[in-house]
Amino acid sequence: AQSVTQLGSHVSVSEGALVLLRCNYSSSVPPYLFWYVQYPNQGLQLLLKYTSAATLVKGINGFEAEFKKSETSFHLTKPSAHMSDAAEYFCAVSVWGYSTLTFGKGTMLLVSP
Amino acid sequence: DVKVTQSSRYLVKRTGEKVFLECVQDMDHENMFWYRQDPGLGLRLIYFSYDVKMKEKGDIPEGYSVSREKKERFSLILESASTNQTSMYLCASSRQYYEQYFGPGTRLTVT
Repeated sequence: AQSVTQLGSHVSVSEGALVLLRCNYSSSVPPYLFWYVQYPNQGLQLLLKYTSAATLVKGINGFEAEFKKSETSFHLTKPSAHMSDAAEYFCAVSVWGYSTLTFGKGTMLLVSP
Repeated sequence: DVKVTQSSRYLVKRTGEKVFLECVQDMDHENMFWYRQDPGLGLRLIYFSYDVKMKEKGDIPEGYSVSREKKERFSLILESASTNQTSMYLCASSRQYYEQYFGPGTRLTVT
């Protein structure tokens, strides 16, 4: 079985500062990894995905994530936070042969002016 | 453009009522999913379906059932709603082994 741990239920940054949201996974086989974003009262939107190609994955809205097998991590970063980035972010894991995703509990990103 | 729609954004029901939540996707996806989302617990899978008339239990199926009579439509049924089923319900769809696309969610309140 796979699992995901997101460190920090809330992360606060200032506008213009680096955004770093942490995700560690557990999987006995090579994983597929995803980051989703949820704005208030909306569904989840895919930010980016890792499916065993390049380890550095670029997504929408300037976000990127790096797959590090040795650290079992898939942290999400953005060089400069915008107010519009304030939302909840979910990391999820799957493996080939399975269509279901296992989600982390989410990290709320707060951006202050 | 990918589109998953849910029948209601907000719903208020009474304890004991039978509740239907509808989800429709227009992408010809094989898989469809129902999750519930609660603060601090993230998303938890209730049921999923990988084909018409096929269903699999997720992590928390108790108190719920599902129906998939057509490929594009997946219904979640609360046979007898209870207050502990007050939650945000999210529907999603995907191709086999690919990323999931989510609807806007239905916020259900059971009083």
